[in-house]
Amino acid sequence: GNSVTQMEGPVTLSEEAFLTINCTYTATGYPSLFWYVQYPGEGLQLLLKATKADDKGSNKGFEATYRKETTSFHLEKGSVQVSDSAVYFCALRSGNNRKLIWGLGTSLAVNP
Amino acid sequence: DAMVIQNPRYQVTQFGKPVTLSCSQTLNHNVMYWYQQKSSQAPKLLFHYYDKDFNNEADTPDNFQSRRPNTSFCFLDIRSPGLGDAAMYLCATSLPHTGPKETQYFGPGTRLLVL
Repeated sequence: GNSVTQMEGPVTLSEEAFLTINCTYTATGYPSLFWYVQYPGEGLQLLLKATKADDKGSNKGFEATYRKETTSFHLEKGSVQVSDSAVYFCALRSGNNRKLIWGLGTSLAVNP
Repeated sequence: DAMVIQNPRYQVTQFGKPVTLSCSQTLNHNVMYWYQQKSSQAPKLLFHYYDKDFNNEADTPDNFQSRRPNTSFCFLDIRSPGLGDAAMYLCATSLPHTGPKETQYFGPGTRLLVL
């Protein structure tokens, strides 16, 4: 079946450090891939998405590239800020199924 | 701004006392979803509506029901809340496409506390 595997957290970085959060997936066909962010006590916000191989999603300095050859969608940011502290979820949706398949989430803490 | 609204942000209920959570949207999306999210876990889909067509997940307990009186509103009813139902409840919406155009947009959530 379809699944998403994220690197375990928590991840702790200093401000302006480089961020990578790994996400790999297993899916039939050509899934759409998403990164959602959840700030403390809040709902989920769509951060970025990619719908076909080699697409790069980007938003707020974050990027992720849909790599079909490695079945990956790693999230990166060149210089994190304290305000980026949140939980990041990788998710996929495959075919005609509306259901999102979620990773377990990765908690990020950025220290000043 | 078009958005997904959930009220209240925090809801306290008593063990066994029915409770209703509300979601409204100004996006005019056909599809509305309800998720349950427990602490440090990924969201778990309970059910969704495509217009008036209700789609229940196989593992959603009978204790959870939903109503969608019109396009804009959707309600989550918990008939007899147990302590294990304390969680964040998230509402989301999307357009009806099932291809690359479909993206789910979430509300801020309602945190339910069961005493």
